[in-house]
Amino acid sequence: KQEVTQIPAALSVPEGENLVLNCSFTDSAIYNLQWFRQDPGKGLTSLLLIQSSQREQTSGRLNASLDKSSGRSTLYIAASQPGDSATYLCAVWAGGTSYGKLTFGQGTILTVHP
Amino acid sequence: AAGVIQSPRHLIKEKRETATLKCYPIPRHDTVYWYQQGPGQDPQFLISFYEKMQSDKGSIPDRFSAQQFSDYHSELNMSSLELGDSALYFCASSRGEGTQYFGPGTRLLVL
Repeated sequence: KQEVTQIPAALSVPEGENLVLNCSFTDSAIYNLQWFRQDPGKGLTSLLLIQSSQREQTSGRLNASLDKSSGRSTLYIAASQPGDSATYLCAVWAGGTSYGKLTFGQGTILTVHP
Repeated sequence: AAGVIQSPRHLIKEKRETATLKCYPIPRHDTVYWYQQGPGQDPQFLISFYEKMQSDKGSIPDRFSAQQFSDYHSELNMSSLELGDSALYFCASSRGEGTQYFGPGTRLLVL
């Protein structure tokens, strides 16, 4: 059974810092990995999707990397802003007979203070 | 750009009642997924449909059923509601194996 773990569970940083969120998964046979942002009581906003054949994806101040063989992904946020405060979730997408099923980590609660 | 639409956004039901949640995927998306997120929990996969056929099933109780219609919208039917069914229910859609886009969710409260 796939298990996804995110470290740290919570992170508080001053505005302007660069930061790294970590995600690890137990079964490396994934189809792709997706990072999401969730604001309190709100829906999930997709940030980046990395195909299993890719090493990284970038969007603005966000960069996500994937090391499938070691079962790890990182989300790098550059020059953090208070508006980045949210819960960040990584989810792995199984392939094969579990096509499309996302298994989520517990999330990292990020607070960026002015 | 069009997003995933879910209705209703909020729903309050009594125990043992029935609820129906609706999901309208992004146009031209052929796959719909349902997830349940309990308070303080990560989303848990319930069920998915590809081209109107069930493609995978997760931890969905037997009291729940779902289907995808000819216009690709999907409905999640929940019967004999229990207090533990109170959660945020998300629908997501994708085009084949692409990015899953999530709707705003339906917040269900069972009293």
